[in-house]
Amino acid sequence: QKEVEQNSGPLSVPEGAIASLNCTYSDRGSQSFFWYRQYSGKSPELIMSIYSNGDKEDGRFTAQLNKASQYVSLLIRDSQPSDSATYLCAVRGGSARQLTFGSGTQLTVLP
Amino acid sequence: GAVVSQHPSWVICKSGTSVKIECRSLDFQATTMFWYRQFPKQSLMLMATSNEGSKATYEQGVEKDKFLINHASLTLSTLTVTSAHPEDSSFYICSAITGTGAYSNQPQHFGDGTRLSIL
Repeated sequence: QKEVEQNSGPLSVPEGAIASLNCTYSDRGSQSFFWYRQYSGKSPELIMSIYSNGDKEDGRFTAQLNKASQYVSLLIRDSQPSDSATYLCAVRGGSARQLTFGSGTQLTVLP
Repeated sequence: GAVVSQHPSWVICKSGTSVKIECRSLDFQATTMFWYRQFPKQSLMLMATSNEGSKATYEQGVEKDKFLINHASLTLSTLTVTSAHPEDSSFYICSAITGTGAYSNQPQHFGDGTRLSIL
């Protein structure tokens, strides 16, 4: 069974700090990796996508992928209270159309 | 781009009634749509995958006769919760991906969700 594992948290960081969110996946054939943010009572919204090993930066967000270690992470620099949400890691296998989601990590940024 | 509209956003109805939820891709053609259910403080649970013009594929444990899914066009999928009961109360979310060419790099775009409350 294909699995995506995340530390459920809660993870608390002070405002302005770097928040580090981690995700591991079991399917070595996985090709596409996504990070979604979900505020309480809302639907997920796409933050980042990454497809090749290394880092990908978009504003305050950096996604990191290491396929050999089957590991993907999301760094949030200069964390703001508005970043407080649940972050979902999602992975797509080689032939699948649907994403497999982790259970999410709850992040709280303290003012 | 890639906007998914879901309607209604909130439904309150009596036990035994049927409720229809619509999911539309506004600016792209979605050959595949997904329906999720999410209970409070729990993760997304995939209910079914819907391909335009064909029958939906339901996940194990999801009653296909209770949760009717129709994907009649490239921009519209509907989920009907038949004879809804209080235990069906949940947050239902649809998502979609574009279907032309390679889909492997395409994210899923989510609608805003429908909060269903059965009294």
